[in-house]
Amino acid sequence: GDSVTQMEGPVTLSEEAFLTINCTYTATGYPSLFWYVQYPGEGLQLLLKATKADDKGSNKGFEATYRKETTSFHLEKGSVQVSDSAVYFCALSDRGGSTLGRLYFGRGTQLTVWP
Amino acid sequence: NAGVMQNPRHLVRRRGQEARLRCSPMKGHSHVYWYRQLPEEGLKFMVYLQKENIIDESGMPKERFSAEFPKEGPSILRIQQVVRGDSAAYFCASSPAGADNHGYTFGSGTRLTVV
Repeated sequence: GDSVTQMEGPVTLSEEAFLTINCTYTATGYPSLFWYVQYPGEGLQLLLKATKADDKGSNKGFEATYRKETTSFHLEKGSVQVSDSAVYFCALSDRGGSTLGRLYFGRGTQLTVWP
Repeated sequence: NAGVMQNPRHLVRRRGQEARLRCSPMKGHSHVYWYRQLPEEGLKFMVYLQKENIIDESGMPKERFSAEFPKEGPSILRIQQVVRGDSAAYFCASSPAGADNHGYTFGSGTRLTVV
């Protein structure tokens, strides 16, 4: 079945450090891939997405590339800020599977950035 | 254009009571999804509804849980005879169509505490 495996946290970085959060997936069809961010006490916000192999999603300095050969969608940012502290979720939607409309989420990675 | 509105934000129920969680999708969105987030975990799919139809309820517990999305009014997630294990954050999301290429817009969630 469809699933997402995400790097476990917590991740603690100093401001301006490089960030990578690993995400790999298993899908039976042709997934679209997403990264969501959740700030304390709030709902999830879509950070970026990619809908086909080799697509790169980007937003607010974050990037992730859809790698079909390694079934990965790692999140990266070159220089993190304190305001990036949040929980990050990798997710997929499987267009070719039987569960159209459903998102599968990883467990989330807590990122804390210190000044 | 208001986002996805969920209420209440916080709900406390005693064991055995009923919990009713409401979700108003974004204007123009006809697809509603409910997810549950247990502490330290990612979101787990519960149910996918369109107006007056349940499309996929495979993530709903077999007993005590029900959901509806009537022609008029918000979507309702209803939990009868709540138990401590129902304590979680419940998120609603909406989309204009299936989430395959678009992702969702999430509400801020209802945090249910069963005492």
